[in-house]
Parts: sequence; structure tokens; C-alpha cells
Amino acid sequence: KAGVTQTPRYLIKTRGQQVTLSCSPISGHRSVSWYQQTPGQGLQFLFEYFSETQRNKGNFPGRFSGRQFSNSRSEMNVSTLELGDSALYLCASRVSGLLQETQYFGPGTRLLVL
Amino acid sequence: AQSVSQHNHHVILSEAASLELGCNYSYGGTVNLFWYVQYPGQHLQLLLKYFSGDPLVKGIKGFEAEFIKSKFSFNLRKPSVQWSDTAEYFCAGDFGNEKLTFGTGTRLTIIP
Repeated sequence: KAGVTQTPRYLIKTRGQQVTLSCSPISGHRSVSWYQQTPGQGLQFLFEYFSETQRNKGNFPGRFSGRQFSNSRSEMNVSTLELGDSALYLCASRVSGLLQETQYFGPGTRLLVL
Repeated sequence: AQSVSQHNHHVILSEAASLELGCNYSYGGTVNLFWYVQYPGQHLQLLLKYFSGDPLVKGIKGFEAEFIKSKFSFNLRKPSVQWSDTAEYFCAGDFGNEKLTFGTGTRLTIIP
């Protein structure tokens, strides 16, 4: 079974631009969560989608948004990029979103904002 | 606010040494706890998890962790480490809100 895939793997943007990152969960998984990983703040929860609905949200500004499609693939969007948005963005999937289920993480998308 | 703390930022051990990585959480209610590991160049993966029951939890690759409620701790242990255990280790908790709060991680370096 293929693992969680994320595209692109690396991205360079400039301040003020917007970016869209994509995540394809493991086949059969309907829950997708997004995390931001930075050296200073560590891993922080962004949001979770289940059956095309945002089910949970972390403490990030409205510039960070996401969506999920009917095939469970998810995208996250960051508008009006700031230097501090430079980070590794991780996506994780699980079957139905119960925390007892193991979350499987993707390799991440490394975003650099100049 | 709920939080997870890992006070050891970088631990260096020789092969065959015993390992204990600290994890403390701040929350007065029911908590679910996890340890994740990220090997160099690999994805984050689950080592073990605690939800309820026996406070001593066994995970993959010989790791175990003990939940001590009175100390708000969930330390990770391994009796004898190998060079292949070199990785970054993250403790995480769910404080009843179905989302993970991670610690800042501990980098473990094993010297052959």
C-alpha cells in the first residue's frame, strides 16, 4: 500500500505570494491532518479534515486554510506569505479520524519564504 | 494551556547504554500520550501510545514508556540502544480535543 504522499517536496516563494500544498492520504484513509514544523516552535497542529469537512483547527491565522476533496486528497493554502511561514509542512492520514488510530505521516513539503 | 515538554534537546549515548528520554505534560484531565520517532531522511512514525490501562506501554523496536499520572510524565526507555536508534524523538499528547500537541523533540545520537 502506498504511503502518504505530498507535493511538491520543496518550494521557494517570496513574501506576499500565496502557496498551495497537496497531500494524498493512504488509500482508504478519510482523515487528513496538517502540521507545521519549525526549529523554534516544533510541530504544531494546523487543521484536520474528514469527509471533506474541517473537523478541528489549531491556532493559526486565517491566512492558513485547507480543503479536502471527495477522494480524500487534501490541499492547504497559505496566502500573503510571511518570512515566518518558512517551515516543513507535514500531512498525516488515518482511517476515520479517531485518535486511537495510528497517524501515518508523509515526507513533508519544505517551504522557504524569501 | 495544555503543553508537552521535552527537556532533553540532544542526548548522546554509546551503543548498549540504557536510554531514558523525558516527557512531561501540563493538563489536569484525561490525556492520551504518544511517542513518535523520525529517523534521518525518513517520515515521522509512531513508536508507541498510551490511552488507558497498563501504564507501562511497549512499542516497536524494543522501546517502552511509563505513564506516571502523579508526575505528569511519560518517559521513553530502552534498555540497550543501537546505532540505528539515532533519530529525533517526539512526545505528543491529546488533551481531549482530538488533536496532537507535540513537544519540541529530543535528538538522540548513538556513538558506535
